[in-house]
Amino acid sequence: DSGVTQTPKHLITATGQRVTLRCSPRSGDLSVYWYQQSLDQGLQFLIQYYNGEERAKGNILERFSAQQFPDLHSELNLSSLELGDSALYFCASSRDSDYEQYFGPGTRLTVT
Amino acid sequence: EDQVTQSPEALRLQEGESSSLNCSYTVSGLRGLFWYRQDPGKGPEFLFTLYSAGEEKEKERLKATLTKKESFLHITAPKPEDSATYLCAVPPRGGYQKVTFGTGTKLQVIP
Repeated sequence: DSGVTQTPKHLITATGQRVTLRCSPRSGDLSVYWYQQSLDQGLQFLIQYYNGEERAKGNILERFSAQQFPDLHSELNLSSLELGDSALYFCASSRDSDYEQYFGPGTRLTVT
Repeated sequence: EDQVTQSPEALRLQEGESSSLNCSYTVSGLRGLFWYRQDPGKGPEFLFTLYSAGEEKEKERLKATLTKKESFLHITAPKPEDSATYLCAVPPRGGYQKVTFGTGTKLQVIP
C-alpha cells in the first residue's frame, strides 16, 4: 500500500459526459501528479500540483482540468469525454519534484 | 530536454537466468534516478533512488547501479513473480518541469 488513495476504482460513462477523479496524497507529501495510461502504453504525464499551485504541465487536453485543495487532495476533471479518453488514470504524490513518487491504484475510466 | 531510453523493450528469461535492464539518460546535471516496477493494471511501485555515479542499491533479487550516462537494474536468479514492466525516471532540472519517465522494459520470467 503506497498510502495514496484514488476514487473511484472504476468509472463507466458515455461520450460527451463529465467525470471527476479524486486523489488523496500520502501524509506529508505536498506534490500531486496525474498520469494517463492507455492500454499497453506508457505513462503520459498530465499535470503536477505543489501545495495548491500548478507546478508543471504535460500534454493535458483543454477538456481536462485539475486542482489541488487546501487539504492537499486533488481532483482531475474530464469533460466532453471521447472514446479515446478510456484509460487508467493514476495519481502520484511526493515530497517535492526531486523525490520519488508514490502511485495510487488508479481509476479505470471506460467511455462508451 | 531530458531524455530517458530503456532497453530492451521486452525481455524473456527462464527462471534462474540472471540478466540486466538498461536505462540511459541525457540530462543537464543529474539530480537522481528512480526505478519503479509496474504490474499490469496497477500503479507503478517505487523501488530505488540513486543519486550519484557509483552508487548501488539492492532489494531481494534486484540491484540497481548508476554511472554518469546510464543505470542498470540487475536481476539475479529471477522468479516468475518478478515478471513486470520496469520503469526508470529522472527528476526535473528545475522545480517547474516534469519528471521524465522511460518507456519501460517488460520482463517475463518463465518457470
